[in-house]
Amino acid sequence: DIQMTQSPSSLSASVGDRVTITCQASQDIKKYLNWYQQKPGKAPKLLIYDASNLEVGVPSRFSGSGSGTHFTFTISSLQPEDFATYHCQQYDHVPLTFGRGTKVDVK
Amino acid sequence: EVQLVESGGGLVQPGESPRLSCVVSGLAFKNYWMHWVRQVPGKGLVWISRLNSDGTTTAYADSVRGRFRISRDNAKNTLYLHMNRLSSEDTAVYYCASSPDPGSLGFWGQGTMVIVSS
Repeated sequence: DIQMTQSPSSLSASVGDRVTITCQASQDIKKYLNWYQQKPGKAPKLLIYDASNLEVGVPSRFSGSGSGTHFTFTISSLQPEDFATYHCQQYDHVPLTFGRGTKVDVK
Repeated sequence: EVQLVESGGGLVQPGESPRLSCVVSGLAFKNYWMHWVRQVPGKGLVWISRLNSDGTTTAYADSVRGRFRISRDNAKNTLYLHMNRLSSEDTAVYYCASSPDPGSLGFWGQGTMVIVSS
């Protein structure tokens, strides 16, 4: 199985901060990496697909980059509604696998 | 509006064989791959199964292969997860999700909680 190492596991930030999360795959997954946002008690929401494509309706402050084994997710200016947990997920190989998540909370 | 609505969860006895359902509306169900993902509250997401749009190709996580079976009825816009030989380790919230490709889960249901306990 492909292991997805996501870091950090948590971070504290303030509104307006730039936030960066990384995800490292245990082997080459090309561009097949997605990013999700999840709020407590809710289902995940797809934000970025295929490493760098913004899902329809998602604000442009969210972005993603990378290919192969190293990927980055960025929130350019954190907004109050962005405090949540973020998950990366690969789908180049079965089983699909998720990172352990990054919880973004208030500093 | 796209809606995925799961049902069939609840308290089940170890060894029981419940079936989860996911009714989809607002999208062309027959054109989408469908998935089941589970999550123990407070823990990470775990993908468990996938079925292609015409129902001919399945995939499973090792933890459920041979015990769970995914199926779909495109005439009823419904996805199923047939669960067998449940243990406490299967206790989780179960989400269904759709994807236009093999793995970008764009729409999710609200989840149904399965608690395996005697």
